Amino acid sequence: DAGVTQSPTHLIKTRGQQVTLRCSPKSGHDTVSWYQQALGQGPQFIFQYYEEEERQRGNFPDRFSGHQFPNYSSELNVNALLLGDSALYLCASSWGDYNEQFFGPGTRLTVL
Amino acid sequence: AQTVTQSQPEMSVQEAETVTLSCTYDTSENNYYLFWYKQPPSRQMILVIRQEAYKQQNATENRFSVNFQKAAKSFSLKISDSQLGDTAMYFCAFMHLYNQGGKLIFGQGTELSVKP
Repeated sequence: DAGVTQSPTHLIKTRGQQVTLRCSPKSGHDTVSWYQQALGQGPQFIFQYYEEEERQRGNFPDRFSGHQFPNYSSELNVNALLLGDSALYLCASSWGDYNEQFFGPGTRLTVL
Repeated sequence: AQTVTQSQPEMSVQEAETVTLSCTYDTSENNYYLFWYKQPPSRQMILVIRQEAYKQQNATENRFSVNFQKAAKSFSLKISDSQLGDTAMYFCAFMHLYNQGGKLIFGQGTELSVKP
């Protein structure tokens, strides 16, 4: 079992660009949640996907969007990047929405 | 709004000793889970222990145990026989069930250093 995987590991972008981050959930999991972790902070919930739909969303602007595919993998898209979007982006998967969430290793995004 | 507070930004402990990390939370709901996650320098967030709010008995996982005080909204983590591999950031987290459930709300973290 490969666990939750994320790609890429690191990414450097410039302000105004767009970025796509990818997540493959743990085998058997159908729910994917995304979190943003700024340096020295706890993770902040962005949104959660189940059955290819956004189930709930945290306090993030519309520049943050996502998608879940039929195989349960997910993408996080961020448009019009700002310096403040620099963070570690964590993906977590679970079976259903109230069960233990297993985290991936994260994608480190740097916006210059 | 639900919040989670970890008042100890940094802690250190000698190898083989016991350390307790503090966490308080605020919610008006009755149905929720509480978690402690460990994040080593490798960045991988790992679940340490989970507590269901409806259970009075404190959860235990090997060297890790919690002191759950529901009325006081307190959820501390005790690590016994500390090992060098316990060095990491520790995050307390909260999850509602039902109304807006399924998302984890994290505290700011406590950086634990285990010294030889």
